[in-house]
Amino acid sequence: AQKITQTQPGMFVQEKEAVTLDCTYDTSDPSYGLFWYKQPSSGEMIFLIYQGSYDQQNATEGRYSLNFQKARKSANLVISASQLGDSAMYFCAMRATSGTYKYIFGTGTRLKVLA
Amino acid sequence: DSGVTQTPKHLITATGQRVTLRCSPRSGDLSVYWYQQSLDQGLQFLIQYYNGEERAKGNILERFSAQQFPDLHSELNLSSLELGDSALYFCASSVEGRLAGKTDTQYFGPGTRLTVL
Repeated sequence: AQKITQTQPGMFVQEKEAVTLDCTYDTSDPSYGLFWYKQPSSGEMIFLIYQGSYDQQNATEGRYSLNFQKARKSANLVISASQLGDSAMYFCAMRATSGTYKYIFGTGTRLKVLA
Repeated sequence: DSGVTQTPKHLITATGQRVTLRCSPRSGDLSVYWYQQSLDQGLQFLIQYYNGEERAKGNILERFSAQQFPDLHSELNLSSLELGDSALYFCASSVEGRLAGKTDTQYFGPGTRLTVL
């Protein structure tokens, strides 16, 4: 069965520091995609970054990077130089090519950036 | 702005009623997905349509149904509403919907907040 696990329900980080949000996944499918989304208090879900299972390099999008360790089945999101506007809920998600094509979401990590 | 539109933004109704939520995907996207987000259940996948056909089904109740029309907009129908159906309902769209590549990235609409009294 496919599964996403986010073990940190909440985290604090000081403004301008880097923070890592953990995500582990489980799938037997060799081809899959990993996604991170941000949900601010306003409620919308914002796509941040994508990593494919066959990508050789870790994905980066501005201040966001994904620390992809395939053997450990982890896809941690790293936010550099945190800003107050980064305070939000962050969800890790996975989609595999086999099975029912469903997106699987983790339970999320609530990040609070401190001034 | 993701380019996905959902109407209405808020909906307040009574138990036993029926409502319809509407979603217009981003231009060029063929797949539409529906999710339910409640406080105690997290983000629950309900159903996916790809180019008018149902592609995947999640934890969608029998009281709920959806369809995708030829112009690719989608509607989620919720009937015999119960208090527990109160939640934020998201629609998302993606270019593809059959693979796991970047074209399967889902872009979410702003959501419809449903309150059942």
